[in-house]
Amino acid sequence: EVQLVESGGGLVQPGGSLRLSCAASGFTFSGYWMHWVRQDPGKGLVWVSRINGDGSSTSYADSVKGRFTISRDNAKNTLYLQMNSLRVEDTAVYYCARASRYSGSYSGYWGQGTLVTVSS
Amino acid sequence: EIVLTQSPATLSLSPGERATLSCRASQSVNSYLAWYQQKPGQAPRLLVYDASNRATDIPARFSGSGSGTDFTLTISSLEPEDFAVYYCQQRSNWPLTFGGGTKVEIK
Repeated sequence: EVQLVESGGGLVQPGGSLRLSCAASGFTFSGYWMHWVRQDPGKGLVWVSRINGDGSSTSYADSVKGRFTISRDNAKNTLYLQMNSLRVEDTAVYYCARASRYSGSYSGYWGQGTLVTVSS
Repeated sequence: EIVLTQSPATLSLSPGERATLSCRASQSVNSYLAWYQQKPGQAPRLLVYDASNRATDIPARFSGSGSGTDFTLTISSLEPEDFAVYYCQQRSNWPLTFGGGTKVEIK
């Protein structure tokens, strides 16, 4: 069974940093693209970033480019999102998602999310 | 960036009725569009990929259609568990983008 468990969320002040982790199990982690998608409380979904299977290729939404870094440790089956220079508008539930079997750019499995609150 | 506009924002229907949800893209995405369902307090679930293909274990009452800029998700006969928010997502261009969602609520 595919499982994705996010951790690392919490309250941080504007300008601060946070690192999210996503522990994966139940599948060959290195074989799939992985994504981070966020959701403002009570609002819609926003794609944040993706990384390919071996970590050699990444993409970011313009709103986080230069501030967030996606990475993965295939030996630990773990996905990361390093978030620096956080802004109030980064407040959201952050989901990690595994690419679907149909396309790397669709998310077939999702974690339950971790809440990041940026506030002074 | 491709903008996806979903309509209506809210659809009020009764169980057994047919639901028709729309997703319009600001430029052609070919058939590279997916639909997701999200229930309160839960993560999204992939329903349809590449416009018209049901994902694994998705009931046949869910069907997708369209290409280019106009897409439709149809739920042929609403079951109680189908009342949720539905999102479309395109993979034609980076960055990936989602629509704003359509809430299907019980009338």
